[in-house]
This record gives sequence, C-alpha cells and structure tokens, in this order.
Amino acid sequence: NAGVTQTPKFRVLKTGQSMTLLCAQDMNHEYMYWYRQDPGMGLRLIHYSVGEGTTAKGEVPDGYNVSRLKKQNFLLGLESAAPSQTSVYFCASSTRRLAGGLTGELFFGEGSRLTVL
Amino acid sequence: AQKVTQAQTEISVVEKEDVTLDCVYETRDTTYYLFWYKQPPSGELVFLIRRNSFDEQNEISGRYSWNFQKSTSSFNFTITASQVVDSAVYFCALRGGRGETSGSRLTFGEGTQLTVNP
Repeated sequence: NAGVTQTPKFRVLKTGQSMTLLCAQDMNHEYMYWYRQDPGMGLRLIHYSVGEGTTAKGEVPDGYNVSRLKKQNFLLGLESAAPSQTSVYFCASSTRRLAGGLTGELFFGEGSRLTVL
Repeated sequence: AQKVTQAQTEISVVEKEDVTLDCVYETRDTTYYLFWYKQPPSGELVFLIRRNSFDEQNEISGRYSWNFQKSTSSFNFTITASQVVDSAVYFCALRGGRGETSGSRLTFGEGTQLTVNP
C-alpha cells in the first residue's frame, strides 16, 4: 500500500549545490505533480506531467527541472540551490478519468523538507 | 486562469463550537471540480471531499458539511461541534475538467489554520 513515495524526506544543502528529489507512485496514475509549500502561501505548483515523457511548467518553475522517463516516477532537480528554495516539497499523482467512482483527488507523498544554507 | 481564495488565514475556536471555513474561487471553465484537503500537524495532506460544478447539492458527512453556491462562486466548509483533533490547516482547491476527464492542474488556496482549543 505504498501510494506516493518521496525520497529523501529531509535534506540540507549549501547554496549552489545540486540535488534531485525522487517521487514514485504505484497507482498507475497518468498525472504527476511537484508542489512547494511555504508558510502563508499554500501549495504552489512547480512542474507537472500529464504522461510519460511529457512535462509542463506550473506557477513557480524557475530554478527547477523535472523529468518523467517512466510513468511511475517523477524527478525534481535543483541544479544550483538557493536559500529561496528552502521549503517543503510535495509530490502528488492523480488519475485522468473521473468516471467509475474516481474522485480525481490528488494523492500526496509525505513531503520532503529541504533547507538551503 | 484559475484562482482560489481563502480569506481567513487563522481561526481559533473553543471545542464544541461550530466553525465555517470560507472558500471563493474563480474559473472560466464551465465544468470544474472543487476539493477540500486537511493538513494536520503531522504534515500529510488528507483528501476530504470533491464536488462537481454541475451538482450543487450540499453534502454532510458526520460533523462535516459543505455548502456549494455556484451563484457566489463559493464552496464553504463547516465543522459542527468542533474537536481538538480538528486542529489543522485546511485547503480548498479547484480543478477544471471536461466530462469524464479531469483537467491536469489543481489550484490551491492559501489555506486556513484552524485551532480548536479545549
């Protein structure tokens, strides 16, 4: 019953370092998302993907890159981390169809807390 | 463009009080879906409800009820007889759609921090 799994859960980086957050889902969902959550700002969409091999920019894409080489995985990369990227990152996935009792809700991972010094 | 506004940043109530969390949305889609999520102090996001734009029937689930009013673009959430365990951040969210296919983007409001004191 894994659902959406994010790794790592915590990470501390120095300014300028790079890193990749990995998201994996086992529900065969078409859509996958990366959000960041900052105090008082809700969840803001960074990038998303509607299928394997496709990605699109969300509200706050600058400084991030993503890839979706396999349907079940969605990677978020920071090439040169900045203190402004200190945040909690959430990955999510959802189905495309809403019929058959599906609610179209997003299923979220537990979050990854990133601190950039 | 889609927008969700939760004007109440923080609400504090005493246990057993009723509390309503407001949500106002903007969208150009004729078909859309509204959601409420709960984020307890542990940090995970918990799905509470989805409402279709073409179904304005209000819904009640235990102590929770939702009032969807298309005329005022609002989807408010009421907790009756609040409990300490209801303390959390609550998010309203909006997603466009076409028939049985959902739009790909879910737009969240800023969230309302609810604190229920004993």
